[in-house]
This record gives sequence, C-alpha cells and structure tokens, in this order.
Amino acid sequence: DGGITQSPKYLFRKEGQNVTLSCEQNLNHDAMYWYRQDPGQGLRLIYYSQIVNDFQKGDIAEGYSVSREKKESFPLTVTSAQKNPTAFYLCASSLTSGADTQYFGPGTRLTVL
Amino acid sequence: AQKVTQAQTEISVVEKEDVTLDCVYETRDTTYYLFWYKQPPSGELVFLIRRNSFDEQNEISGRYSWNFQKSTSSFNFTITASQVVDSAVYFCALKGSRETSGSRLTFGEGTQLTVNP
Repeated sequence: DGGITQSPKYLFRKEGQNVTLSCEQNLNHDAMYWYRQDPGQGLRLIYYSQIVNDFQKGDIAEGYSVSREKKESFPLTVTSAQKNPTAFYLCASSLTSGADTQYFGPGTRLTVL
Repeated sequence: AQKVTQAQTEISVVEKEDVTLDCVYETRDTTYYLFWYKQPPSGELVFLIRRNSFDEQNEISGRYSWNFQKSTSSFNFTITASQVVDSAVYFCALKGSRETSGSRLTFGEGTQLTVNP
C-alpha cells in the first residue's frame, strides 16, 4: 500500500535529550513537510524539503533539525534547545512543492517528562 | 501574508441535521488553492477537497458539499444529514503562489464538530 508512515506513534523524552521522529513515504513524492500541532490549534510548519538534499525552515524551526538524504525519508530531530517540545507532530508529502495536495501521515505524539 | 479564519471553534449537532463549517481566507495572490482536511480522534489528517482560485464551481461529494465564493473570500463546507462518524476536527487551509508564500500551507485553527446520536 502506498502511503506515509511515522514512527513511533507515542514518544516520551526526558528534558535535555534529543529525539528523532521518523517519516517515510512510498508515494514517490518530491516534497516533504513537518508540522507541529498544539492542543486546540492549527498546524504550524517546522521544516520542508522540496527535493532530496535540500530543505528550508518553516515558521517555527528553532530547536528542530532535519535531513533529506533519501527521497523516501525526512526525519525530524527535536533538540534540547526546543523550549516546549510536547506536541503532536505530523509529517506530510506532496508530488511537488507547488500546487499539489499534501497528504499526511498518522502523526507522532511527543511528551517531555 | 496569508490567513485562514475558522470562527466556529466548536459545533454540536444531532444526527441527521445539516451543518455548515465556515472558512474565510486572506491572500494577496491571484492564484491560490484552498483545502479542507478532516482530523478524526486518531489524529491523522484526511484530505477532503482541493479547490483552485480560478474555479468557483461548487462541488458535491455524497453528503459533503463546498461553496467557494471569491467575492466574500469564503470556502464553506456543508455536511448534509450528519452522522456520528462525522465527528472530528475540520481544518480549512490555504496555499498561495510559490513566489510569495513558498510551499506554505496555512491552516485555520479548526472546528471541532460533534454529532450526537
């Protein structure tokens, strides 16, 4: 089945630790995105990648880092510099970064203990 | 700058009622794209519809219909004969041209729809 997978579904982290969230797609999409969702709010863009080996900061990139070494994969690292990392993280992809529809993965819920 | 406003934070209806979710947007782009997504309790965002700015034709898909009006910058979503399974958070989103807004998809804050049996 084609789609976007995110792992793990739930993640717990101690303060001061870095943690990496996985996002994989087999849709042959060029563009991938990471969003953050806080309770009762809409989604905010963290980072996006239009093509392999390229990525740009979104609106709330501070405290996060990404890589795009393979077309299928776009992992997100939440670093200890992120002041309030507890949130729901959603990965998306689209055929290109232009007008194409973004499709979303199931999300990872990160809780900092 | 782009902005999407969903003024209704929460809506509660009884099954079989019709319900309309409002979406008002702001953009300076002449070409843009509007979307609706559904987020059930599981959390995954499910794509419902995409509409281009140059196509104002309304669309119907089963019990779902969308009313796009450029004159009022609105893209409202109506569910006819609502069902309990329609209970979810619904997001309206806007994407402008790549030159002015990059690849950003700007989301509204969502409307929590609860359909009671």
